[in-house]
Amino acid sequence: DIVLTQSPDSLAVSLGERVTINCKSSQSVFHSFKRKSSLAWFQQKPGQPPKLLISWASTRESGVPDRFSGSGSGTDFSLTISSLQAEDVAVYYCQQYYNAPPITFGQGTRLEIK
Amino acid sequence: EVQLLESGGDSVQPGGSLSLSCEASGLTLGNYAMSWVRQAPGKGLQWVSVISATGDSIYNADSVKGRFTISRDNSKNTLYLQMGSLRAEDTAVYYCAKHSADHRYSPFDYWGQGTLVTVSS
Repeated sequence: DIVLTQSPDSLAVSLGERVTINCKSSQSVFHSFKRKSSLAWFQQKPGQPPKLLISWASTRESGVPDRFSGSGSGTDFSLTISSLQAEDVAVYYCQQYYNAPPITFGQGTRLEIK
Repeated sequence: EVQLLESGGDSVQPGGSLSLSCEASGLTLGNYAMSWVRQAPGKGLQWVSVISATGDSIYNADSVKGRFTISRDNSKNTLYLQMGSLRAEDTAVYYCAKHSADHRYSPFDYWGQGTLVTVSS
């Protein structure tokens, strides 16, 4: 099974500051045929289902603010929020769909306002 | 607008059974693979089961193998999860999640609001 490890587990950042959340995979999720990594990022606010922010490691979904960006390839990935807004308070998860079953998620990173 | 609406969550005793449904609107469900994903109270996300668009390919997490069965009725635009031999550790909010393609090697692009299953004596 592919294990995804996120860091940090939680962080508190001031409004307007830059946020980076990391996700490390126990094996490469790079799809050689597609030339893309099979990794997604989700945002989950309290009482809500997860929302897809980024797919294929760096493709932002329609309607997602451009302050959110994804980067990385192979085994190391990052989600960056360029300027933290109050509405970004949430738990963020990475997820791989390269090797399934099982589809696996990172443990989550809780983001709060300092 | 794509909407996924789960139903069937309830409180059940250990060893009991339950059936969940996920009705889709705003899309042709038969064009997409679908999964069930669960989230125990205060915990992270755990994938449970996946079914291909046609229903001919099914996979389950080890933790539910032999106990849970995923199925679909594309004519009714509905996904199902039949849950048996329920355990306390199955207590969670169960989400249905749509894959962006007809196979499991694709991201989840839409999620339902979830339905709560509580297993307790």
